[in-house]
Amino acid sequence: GEDVEQSLFLSVREGDSSVINCTYTDSSSTYLYWYKQEPGAGLQLLTYIFSNMDMKQDQRLTVLLNKKDKHLSLRIADTQTGDSAIYFCAERGLTGGGNKLTFGTGTQLKVEL
Amino acid sequence: DSGVTQTPKHLITATGQRVTLRCSPRSGDLSVYWYQQSLDQGLQFLIHYYNGEERAKGNILERFSAQQFPDLHSELNLSSLELGDSALYFCASSPQGPDTQYFGPGTRLTVL
Repeated sequence: GEDVEQSLFLSVREGDSSVINCTYTDSSSTYLYWYKQEPGAGLQLLTYIFSNMDMKQDQRLTVLLNKKDKHLSLRIADTQTGDSAIYFCAERGLTGGGNKLTFGTGTQLKVEL
Repeated sequence: DSGVTQTPKHLITATGQRVTLRCSPRSGDLSVYWYQQSLDQGLQFLIHYYNGEERAKGNILERFSAQQFPDLHSELNLSSLELGDSALYFCASSPQGPDTQYFGPGTRLTVL
């Protein structure tokens, strides 16, 4: 079945870049997503990338996709304390009707002063 | 604010009881998805409805059921509740082309 993996924690200093990594197994993945969850809040869609793209940039966010290795990363430039949250990688494949998202375990990003 | 609303925000109940969680999708979105977030299972897809019809089922227990009404709001019914059902339940909606799913704030269910 589909599986999405992420490291559990990442700690960076304010102003540095953060890179959150994700690997997935579903070769039929069509879209890959990054969501942000702050404490006590819902999931906020940050960005997504179609599987035929290698890179997508959106302001401070850069998504890189290596489809051959099934590896996705999210780079946050100039990380701020407000970026502290849990970041979820998710993929949408064609399995099971193609509409469900399979999420990773989430990476807790801690930004220190 | 994603435009997806969920009620109630918190729900505390006892084992064996039944509860109903409600979701209103973003205006114009025909698809509604339900997800469960728990500490041991992470975020798991439960079920997807499109314009009133069930489209896909995930790891949804037989004690759970859902429906989507003509006005497109959806309800998730959880019955014979067990301690392990304590979790955050999220609803998401998407436009006709399901490229993106927008999540509501969630309902936190605590079963005592």
